[in-house]
Amino acid sequence: GPKVLQIPSHQIIDMGQMVTLNCDPVSNHLYFYWYKQILGQQMEFLVNFYNGKVMEKSKLFKDQFSVERPDGSYFTLKIQPTALEDSAVYFCASSSTGGSETLYFGSGTRLTVL
Amino acid sequence: GEKVEQHESTLSVREGDSAVINCTYTDTASSYFPWYKQEAGKSLHFVIDIRSNVDRKQSQRLIVLLDKKAKRFSLHITATQPEDSAIYFCAASMWTGGYKVVFGSGTRLLVSP
Repeated sequence: GPKVLQIPSHQIIDMGQMVTLNCDPVSNHLYFYWYKQILGQQMEFLVNFYNGKVMEKSKLFKDQFSVERPDGSYFTLKIQPTALEDSAVYFCASSSTGGSETLYFGSGTRLTVL
Repeated sequence: GEKVEQHESTLSVREGDSAVINCTYTDTASSYFPWYKQEAGKSLHFVIDIRSNVDRKQSQRLIVLLDKKAKRFSLHITATQPEDSAIYFCAASMWTGGYKVVFGSGTRLLVSP
């Protein structure tokens, strides 16, 4: 089936550094999402993105977070600077026509902030 | 904003029994309710969904029910098998100027032989 690829699968960085998480969504999909999962529990919505713009973001999407998808490239989540509480697994997802259709999730990036 | 509450954090059943996971939501504008399964150490994948224009949907051993008046929906897994063991997430989706999909906290289902 359709696949969403996330690179890298693991990332370890020092607090205060910048990190960029990369997502290669399903090729014909138009809506993109980031979710944060801590300790294999709650999937927390961070942001959704469509047509080059953030459509909605949650309170967890702090000022240090940003997303973009330059034409034909990855959909990225950048955190600058990182904090200890940013340690989590970040899942990217995409869908073809928005949240009324199935989300396809990547395998996640495990971020560890030391 | 929308909140989705998933009532069972863990659920243990014997193989062959049925399992039921219940969720409630708060925003009447939610119109699409998918369920996702996450196996240990893996990502989420879609299992079944229901839209607000129906109150029941079945796909093989999976049945979802939706009660819009009570703002409640549930996943029924019949004739459970050990490979059904996983974390199941319910979710609700609504249009807020962009689609937002809000997840419940997950139910860890354990099916024992």
